[in-house]
Amino acid sequence: KAGVTQTPRYLIKTRGQQVTLSCSPISGHRSVSWYQQTPGQGLQFLFEYFSETQRNKGNFPGRFSGRQFSNSRSEMNVSTLELGDSALYLCASSFSYATAKNRGELFFGEGSRLTVL
Amino acid sequence: DAKTTQPPSMDCAEGRAANLPCNHSTISGNEYVYWYRQIHSQGPQYIIHGLKNNETNEMASLIITEDRKSSTLILPHATLRDTAVYYCIVRVGWGGGGFKTIFGAGTRLFVKA
Repeated sequence: KAGVTQTPRYLIKTRGQQVTLSCSPISGHRSVSWYQQTPGQGLQFLFEYFSETQRNKGNFPGRFSGRQFSNSRSEMNVSTLELGDSALYLCASSFSYATAKNRGELFFGEGSRLTVL
Repeated sequence: DAKTTQPPSMDCAEGRAANLPCNHSTISGNEYVYWYRQIHSQGPQYIIHGLKNNETNEMASLIITEDRKSSTLILPHATLRDTAVYYCIVRVGWGGGGFKTIFGAGTRLFVKA
């Protein structure tokens, strides 16, 4: 089956601009979570969505926002970009729970690499 | 903050077993231990998970201590392609309250020829 698809894969923006990243989860997965990865801070949890509702949020400023659509696709937005927002943004999807029939693991996309100049 | 601690790096000779430890002393009764690995800034890849029993699959074995406060991932015959960052995380198995998956710094495993 198709994996998690993230678009765009690479993008360059300048300070002050905004960016929207898209994530299409694996069919049947209703939980989508986002992560920021930088060399200095590692993999940091941004937020998690389920059934169009944000259920959990990490410690990021309000410039970072997201949403989920009824088909479980998700977008994240970063406004007023700063140099420090340069990072690999990873999206992961999963079933909402682990059972004997599914492992409940996260499936990650290839990521969107954002460079802010 | 991450609920797990791992050594920052480890070396292993090709063909030998790689044993990667993880401490999760504050794990809750409803939390599973998951292991992922990340190669060259690709998205992390699931390896194995467990609740309290030891687990084995085609990639690795997971040994969880009886008190569940620590675990060890075993790659039985490490190859050069196993060079990666390995993450141990704890996560609830059912998502009624949502998932907030926190990754620590992981262990960078170097497999040497």
